[in-house]
Amino acid sequence: EIVLTQSPGTLSLSPGERATLFCRASQSVSSSYLAWYQQKAGQAPRLLIYGASSRATGIPDRFSGSGSGTDFTLTITRLEPEDFAVYYCQLYGSSSYTFGQGTKLEIK
Amino acid sequence: EVQLLESGGGLVQPGGSLRLSCAASGITLTSYAMNWVRQAPGKGLEWVSYITGSGDSTVYADSVKGRFTISRDNSKNTLYLQMNSLRVEDTAVYYCAKRVGYRLDYWGQGTLVTVSS
Repeated sequence: EIVLTQSPGTLSLSPGERATLFCRASQSVSSSYLAWYQQKAGQAPRLLIYGASSRATGIPDRFSGSGSGTDFTLTITRLEPEDFAVYYCQLYGSSSYTFGQGTKLEIK
Repeated sequence: EVQLLESGGGLVQPGGSLRLSCAASGITLTSYAMNWVRQAPGKGLEWVSYITGSGDSTVYADSVKGRFTISRDNSKNTLYLQMNSLRVEDTAVYYCAKRVGYRLDYWGQGTLVTVSS
């Protein structure tokens, strides 16, 4: 079973700053199977990025994804107040899904 | 507009049963594979189960295999999760989520299941 490890656990930044979130897989995976979600308190997760680098419908271009093999990155340029939330990476495999443990992006 | 609306959550004793429903609007469920994902209080996301668009194939997480059953009634455009032999550790918000490609692009708002004596 492939394990996804996200870092850091918590990221404290100010609006307007750049955020870089990491997701590492325990073995090499296909970029096609890697997605990122945002979850705000009390809400369902929202798809941000799929295929490691493709933005989902309606997602602002300040969100971008990159990476391959075992290391993937979610970057948020120019943080807006509404971007402070928990972010999860997710891997698809054999009709099932594995999620990372999440990174909490909080206001500094 | 795609909407997924879960219902059926509540308080149940250990060993009890519940059936969750996920009613879809704005889409025809037969066209999509569907999933259940849960989130224990204060914890991360855990995938629970998957069913094909036709309903002819299902997959379960090891943690629920043999206790939970995913199904769908395409005539009602509704997805179900029958949960039996519930345990305290099954306490969570349960989300239904639509799959397209390898991603989960639409999620319901969730329904809370609490297993406690």
